[in-house]
Amino acid sequence: RKEVEQDPGPFNVPEGATVAFNCTYSNSASQSFFWYRQDCRKEPKLLMSVYSSGNEDGRFTAQLNRASQYISLLIRDSKLSDSATYLCVVRGIGGNNRLAFGKGNQVVVIP
Amino acid sequence: GAGVSQTPSNKVTEKGKYVELRCDPISGHTALYWYRQSLGQGPEFLIYFQGTGAADDSGLPNDRFFAVRPEGSVSTLKIQRTERGDSAVYLCASSVSGGETQYFGPGTRLLVL
Repeated sequence: RKEVEQDPGPFNVPEGATVAFNCTYSNSASQSFFWYRQDCRKEPKLLMSVYSSGNEDGRFTAQLNRASQYISLLIRDSKLSDSATYLCVVRGIGGNNRLAFGKGNQVVVIP
Repeated sequence: GAGVSQTPSNKVTEKGKYVELRCDPISGHTALYWYRQSLGQGPEFLIYFQGTGAADDSGLPNDRFFAVRPEGSVSTLKIQRTERGDSAVYLCASSVSGGETQYFGPGTRLLVL
């Protein structure tokens, strides 16, 4: 079983709509959780960290459910510029700083 | 300031050849990571350096892969006897010691023919 599971999509989203997706992770001892954004042929960049209390950054909201071992991301009022792959990332598996990535959710915002 | 840089940006080689990929981390970052990303997949961990030493090399797929960081700054990932399955984007990231945020370089696209 992979450490982080994501349904890759693609998710075709009308501009202005809300889109939500999630991922699951296998190791309950995982310590930190993130969403990274990756544009086509570019490197991953940190979008936001994810906390159990939930956190919001503008139109983006992230949630962590430790009991069910899943992480979610919600994007409100989608913009064309939100088109990208969103990678679910878990840190601390294996007791070090390495990151474990999901396959990513490919989001395409349509005008 | 300058981010993580990687050279070359693209590398085409033939099966069986030796390649070296270079990573120049953000100045002052003591932690350095190598990941490999195949098409349609998320990045996969290869090796982690803290300073000059490899703190975790459990992600290296086999003994054809080796990485060094002799002065605790620039790192080189070395692949011997390349195989077509080694074709991927090789990403380097760095962070401050114990820092949660890893900053990625633009990657080296390796194609083994």
